[in-house]
Amino acid sequence: NAGVTQTPKFRVLKTGQSMTLLCAQDMNHEYMYWYRQDPGMGLRLIHYSVGEGTTAKGEVPDGYNVSRLKKQNFLLGLESAAPSQTSVYFCASSYSTLNTEAFFGQGTRLTVV
Amino acid sequence: AQSVAQPEDQVNVAEGNPLTVKCTYSVSGNPYLFWYVQYPNRGLQFLLKYITGDNLVKGSYGFEAEFNKSQTSFHLKKPSALVSDSALYFCAVRVISSGSARQLTFGSGTQLTVLP
Repeated sequence: NAGVTQTPKFRVLKTGQSMTLLCAQDMNHEYMYWYRQDPGMGLRLIHYSVGEGTTAKGEVPDGYNVSRLKKQNFLLGLESAAPSQTSVYFCASSYSTLNTEAFFGQGTRLTVV
Repeated sequence: AQSVAQPEDQVNVAEGNPLTVKCTYSVSGNPYLFWYVQYPNRGLQFLLKYITGDNLVKGSYGFEAEFNKSQTSFHLKKPSALVSDSALYFCAVRVISSGSARQLTFGSGTQLTVLP
């Protein structure tokens, strides 16, 4: 049982380059989330999805786009990477009932130079 | 808007001593509260949650947390700390029946170090 899997685990980008982070979950969860983790700031929500084909903005959505074409996958895109997007990115998923906990992937460490 | 505060960036405790990691929340409505732990270079792992009922919640690895509605707090506790408990701890909240109920809002994290 893989749970939540993020690809890739590490990446270095040059300013202006684009990339896509992939999140896959095998728990049939309706909700999926993308967070970024920065020192002293905890986890901040970038975008989330409450079901296949739906997405919504979180706390810090600027500079990112997402897509949820399949229920099990949630993609996070950076169209033109900036040094301010250097961070550790976490994907999470959960059932749609609000009293359930979220399950997290291992994270993607992204450095933009 | 909902928010979570973890007032201590760092907590140090001697092995065998009790530990407390503090969390307070600010919400308009009734909250669901969660604690997560993060070990180095790993994702977050769920520890415990408060949904309703008994204010003292027991979770994984001997941790427990006490929900205090009047003080809007949800402190994480353990009677006897282990060196292996050293990690980064996050408190999180969902607010029932709010427009952002689907979002899980996290605190800034508290680094717990248990000294041998």
